[in-house]
Amino acid sequence: KQEVTQIPAALSVPEGENLVLNCSFTDSAIYNLQWFRQDPGKGLTSLLLIQSSQREQTSGRLNASLDKSSGRSTLYIAASQPGDSATYLCAVSLGDSWGKLQFGAGTQVVVTP
Amino acid sequence: DTGVSQDPRHKITKRGQNVTFRCDPISEHNRLYWYRQTLGQGPEFLTYFQNEAQLEKSRLLSDRFSAERPKGSFSTLEIQRTEQGDSAMYLCASRRDRATSSYNEQFFGPGTRLTVL
Repeated sequence: KQEVTQIPAALSVPEGENLVLNCSFTDSAIYNLQWFRQDPGKGLTSLLLIQSSQREQTSGRLNASLDKSSGRSTLYIAASQPGDSATYLCAVSLGDSWGKLQFGAGTQVVVTP
Repeated sequence: DTGVSQDPRHKITKRGQNVTFRCDPISEHNRLYWYRQTLGQGPEFLTYFQNEAQLEKSRLLSDRFSAERPKGSFSTLEIQRTEQGDSAMYLCASRRDRATSSYNEQFFGPGTRLTVL
Protein backbone atom coordinates (compact mmCIF):
# COMPACT_ATOMS: atom_id res chain seq x y z
CA LYS A 1 0.00 0.00 0.00
CA GLN A 2 1.32 3.41 -0.98
CA GLU A 3 2.06 5.78 1.88
CA VAL A 4 3.00 9.42 1.40
CA THR A 5 4.76 11.31 4.19
CA GLN A 6 5.65 14.96 4.51
CA ILE A 7 8.14 16.10 7.11
CA PRO A 8 8.14 18.51 8.86
CA ALA A 9 4.46 19.07 9.54
CA ALA A 10 5.11 22.76 10.12
CA LEU A 11 7.88 25.20 9.27
CA SER A 12 8.52 28.86 10.05
CA VAL A 13 11.17 30.89 8.24
CA PRO A 14 12.07 34.58 7.98
CA GLU A 15 11.35 36.34 4.71
CA GLY A 16 14.08 35.88 2.13
CA GLU A 17 15.17 32.42 3.22
CA ASN A 18 14.90 29.49 0.85
CA LEU A 19 12.27 26.90 1.69
CA VAL A 20 12.91 23.15 1.39
CA LEU A 21 9.88 20.89 1.67
CA ASN A 22 10.19 17.12 1.67
CA CYS A 23 7.88 14.37 0.45
CA SER A 24 8.52 10.64 0.62
CA PHE A 25 6.53 7.72 -0.76
CA THR A 26 6.84 3.99 -0.21
CA ASP A 27 5.95 2.57 -3.64
CA SER A 28 8.23 3.75 -6.45
CA ALA A 29 5.79 2.64 -9.18
CA ILE A 30 4.31 6.10 -9.50
CA TYR A 31 3.00 7.68 -12.71
CA ASN A 32 3.59 11.24 -11.60
CA LEU A 33 3.92 13.44 -8.53
CA GLN A 34 2.14 16.75 -8.07
CA TRP A 35 2.78 19.57 -5.60
CA PHE A 36 -0.12 21.73 -4.44
CA ARG A 37 -0.60 24.82 -2.33
CA GLN A 38 -3.62 25.22 -0.05
CA ASP A 39 -4.60 28.43 1.72
CA PRO A 40 -6.76 28.13 4.87
CA GLY A 41 -10.29 27.02 4.07
CA LYS A 42 -9.63 26.98 0.33
CA GLY A 43 -9.19 24.44 -2.42
CA LEU A 44 -5.89 23.24 -3.86
CA THR A 45 -3.79 25.14 -6.35
CA SER A 46 -1.48 23.05 -8.52
CA LEU A 47 2.13 24.23 -8.42
CA LEU A 48 4.16 21.66 -10.31
CA LEU A 49 3.71 18.21 -11.80
CA ILE A 50 6.64 15.87 -12.38
CA GLN A 51 6.17 12.88 -14.65
CA SER A 52 7.84 9.67 -13.48
CA SER A 53 10.38 9.94 -16.32
CA GLN A 54 11.47 13.43 -15.22
CA ARG A 55 13.98 14.43 -12.57
CA GLU A 56 12.78 17.97 -11.92
CA GLN A 57 10.39 20.74 -12.90
CA THR A 58 10.76 24.48 -12.47
CA SER A 59 8.31 27.35 -12.41
CA GLY A 60 9.54 30.77 -11.38
CA ARG A 61 10.87 30.58 -7.83
CA LEU A 62 9.71 26.97 -7.48
CA ASN A 63 11.75 23.89 -8.28
CA ALA A 64 10.67 20.34 -7.60
CA SER A 65 12.92 17.30 -7.86
CA LEU A 66 11.98 13.63 -8.03
CA ASP A 67 14.05 10.58 -7.14
CA LYS A 68 11.85 7.56 -7.75
CA SER A 69 14.41 5.02 -6.65
CA SER A 70 14.64 6.51 -3.18
CA GLY A 71 10.96 7.47 -3.05
CA ARG A 72 11.57 11.17 -2.50
CA SER A 73 10.58 14.53 -3.88
CA THR A 74 11.70 17.94 -2.72
CA LEU A 75 10.06 21.29 -3.37
CA TYR A 76 12.38 24.28 -3.23
CA ILE A 77 10.98 27.80 -2.96
CA ALA A 78 13.63 30.45 -3.45
CA ALA A 79 13.67 33.78 -1.61
CA SER A 80 10.50 33.16 0.40
CA GLN A 81 7.89 35.89 0.82
CA PRO A 82 5.07 36.31 3.37
CA GLY A 83 2.65 35.49 0.54
CA ASP A 84 4.18 32.01 0.38
CA SER A 85 2.61 31.23 3.75
CA ALA A 86 0.27 28.28 3.16
CA THR A 87 0.09 24.50 3.46
CA TYR A 88 1.98 22.60 0.79
CA LEU A 89 0.82 19.13 -0.18
CA CYS A 90 2.43 16.51 -2.34
CA ALA A 91 0.46 13.76 -4.06
CA VAL A 92 1.41 10.73 -6.12
CA SER A 93 -0.52 9.04 -8.88
CA LEU A 94 -0.02 5.32 -9.39
CA GLY A 95 0.18 4.04 -12.93
CA ASP A 96 -2.74 1.65 -12.63
CA SER A 97 -5.06 3.79 -10.52
CA TRP A 98 -7.00 5.87 -13.07
CA GLY A 99 -4.95 8.88 -12.02
CA LYS A 100 -6.35 9.12 -8.51
CA LEU A 101 -4.00 10.95 -6.19
CA GLN A 102 -2.72 9.84 -2.82
CA PHE A 103 -1.75 12.79 -0.65
CA GLY A 104 0.60 13.49 2.20
CA ALA A 105 -0.73 15.40 5.21
CA GLY A 106 1.07 18.56 4.12
CA THR A 107 3.63 20.97 5.52
CA GLN A 108 2.28 24.20 6.98
CA VAL A 109 4.63 27.05 6.12
CA VAL A 110 4.77 30.47 7.77
CA VAL A 111 7.06 33.13 6.32
CA THR A 112 7.58 35.97 8.78
CA PRO A 113 8.28 39.53 7.55
CA ASP B 1 -10.81 27.33 -19.12
CA THR B 2 -12.86 28.85 -16.32
CA GLY B 3 -11.66 26.38 -13.71
CA VAL B 4 -13.45 23.78 -11.64
CA SER B 5 -16.44 25.17 -9.76
CA GLN B 6 -18.31 23.70 -6.80
CA ASP B 7 -21.62 24.59 -5.23
CA PRO B 8 -22.42 25.32 -2.48
CA ARG B 9 -19.21 26.55 -0.90
CA HIS B 10 -20.53 25.99 2.60
CA LYS B 11 -23.31 23.77 3.91
CA ILE B 12 -24.52 23.47 7.49
CA THR B 13 -27.01 20.73 8.16
CA LYS B 14 -28.49 18.79 11.03
CA ARG B 15 -27.64 15.17 11.62
CA GLY B 16 -29.92 12.88 9.66
CA GLN B 17 -30.58 15.30 6.81
CA ASN B 18 -29.61 14.64 3.19
CA VAL B 19 -27.24 16.97 1.34
CA THR B 20 -26.18 17.22 -2.29
CA PHE B 21 -23.11 18.92 -3.72
CA ARG B 22 -22.41 19.85 -7.32
CA CYS B 23 -19.16 19.99 -9.26
CA ASP B 24 -18.65 21.52 -12.70
CA PRO B 25 -15.32 20.39 -14.16
CA ILE B 26 -13.21 22.22 -16.68
CA SER B 27 -14.84 21.79 -20.06
CA GLU B 28 -13.41 18.91 -22.12
CA HIS B 29 -11.96 17.28 -19.00
CA ASN B 30 -13.45 13.83 -19.15
CA ARG B 31 -11.95 12.59 -15.88
CA LEU B 32 -13.56 13.75 -12.63
CA TYR B 33 -12.59 12.92 -9.05
CA TRP B 34 -14.13 13.50 -5.64
CA TYR B 35 -11.97 13.75 -2.51
CA ARG B 36 -12.70 14.40 1.15
CA GLN B 37 -10.40 16.37 3.43
CA THR B 38 -10.59 16.61 7.21
CA LEU B 39 -8.73 19.14 9.32
CA GLY B 40 -4.98 18.72 9.30
CA GLN B 41 -5.02 15.90 6.76
CA GLY B 42 -4.46 15.61 3.05
CA PRO B 43 -7.43 14.88 0.77
CA GLU B 44 -8.57 11.27 0.52
CA PHE B 45 -9.92 9.77 -2.68
CA LEU B 46 -13.64 9.00 -2.74
CA THR B 47 -14.64 8.20 -6.32
CA TYR B 48 -13.69 8.63 -9.98
CA PHE B 49 -15.64 9.13 -13.21
CA GLN B 50 -14.47 8.78 -16.77
CA ASN B 51 -17.12 10.56 -18.79
CA GLU B 52 -20.41 9.33 -17.27
CA ALA B 53 -19.03 6.01 -15.99
CA GLN B 54 -18.17 5.69 -12.30
CA LEU B 55 -15.10 3.47 -12.46
CA GLU B 56 -13.86 3.38 -8.90
CA LYS B 57 -15.23 3.95 -5.41
CA SER B 58 -13.21 4.09 -2.22
CA ARG B 59 -14.10 2.06 0.83
CA LEU B 60 -14.64 5.47 2.45
CA LEU B 61 -17.77 5.81 0.34
CA SER B 62 -20.37 4.10 2.49
CA ASP B 63 -23.87 3.18 1.29
CA ARG B 64 -25.05 6.60 2.41
CA PHE B 65 -22.94 8.24 -0.30
CA SER B 66 -23.84 8.28 -3.96
CA ALA B 67 -22.29 10.11 -6.87
CA GLU B 68 -23.45 10.66 -10.41
CA ARG B 69 -22.18 12.30 -13.55
CA PRO B 70 -25.04 12.33 -16.05
CA LYS B 71 -24.00 12.95 -19.64
CA GLY B 72 -20.38 13.16 -18.57
CA SER B 73 -20.55 16.83 -17.66
CA PHE B 74 -21.23 18.06 -14.09
CA SER B 75 -21.24 15.66 -11.15
CA THR B 76 -23.25 15.46 -7.94
CA LEU B 77 -22.32 13.89 -4.63
CA GLU B 78 -25.19 13.09 -2.27
CA ILE B 79 -24.90 12.12 1.37
CA GLN B 80 -27.99 10.61 2.95
CA ARG B 81 -28.72 10.60 6.68
CA THR B 82 -25.69 12.74 7.46
CA GLU B 83 -23.61 12.02 10.54
CA GLN B 84 -21.27 14.31 12.47
CA GLY B 85 -18.35 12.31 11.11
CA ASP B 86 -19.25 13.46 7.61
CA SER B 87 -18.15 16.99 8.48
CA ALA B 88 -15.27 17.75 6.12
CA MET B 89 -14.25 19.63 3.00
CA TYR B 90 -15.44 17.87 -0.15
CA LEU B 91 -13.18 18.58 -3.11
CA CYS B 92 -13.74 17.94 -6.79
CA ALA B 93 -10.97 17.72 -9.38
CA SER B 94 -10.80 17.17 -13.12
CA ARG B 95 -8.18 16.42 -15.76
CA ARG B 96 -7.80 15.46 -19.36
CA ASP B 97 -7.70 11.86 -20.43
CA ARG B 98 -4.22 10.39 -20.58
CA ALA B 99 -4.64 9.48 -24.23
CA THR B 100 -5.13 13.09 -25.24
CA SER B 101 -2.55 14.77 -23.11
CA SER B 102 0.81 13.79 -21.78
CA TYR B 103 0.45 16.36 -19.03
CA ASN B 104 -1.89 14.75 -16.51
CA GLU B 105 -2.34 17.59 -14.10
CA GLN B 106 -5.40 17.54 -11.85
CA PHE B 107 -7.18 20.83 -11.23
CA PHE B 108 -9.18 21.27 -8.07
CA GLY B 109 -12.26 23.30 -7.27
CA PRO B 110 -12.65 25.51 -4.18
CA GLY B 111 -14.41 22.75 -2.25
CA THR B 112 -17.65 22.48 -0.29
CA ARG B 113 -17.27 22.78 3.47
CA LEU B 114 -19.87 20.55 5.19
CA THR B 115 -20.71 20.96 8.86
CA VAL B 116 -23.09 18.45 10.42
CA LEU B 117 -24.56 19.61 13.73
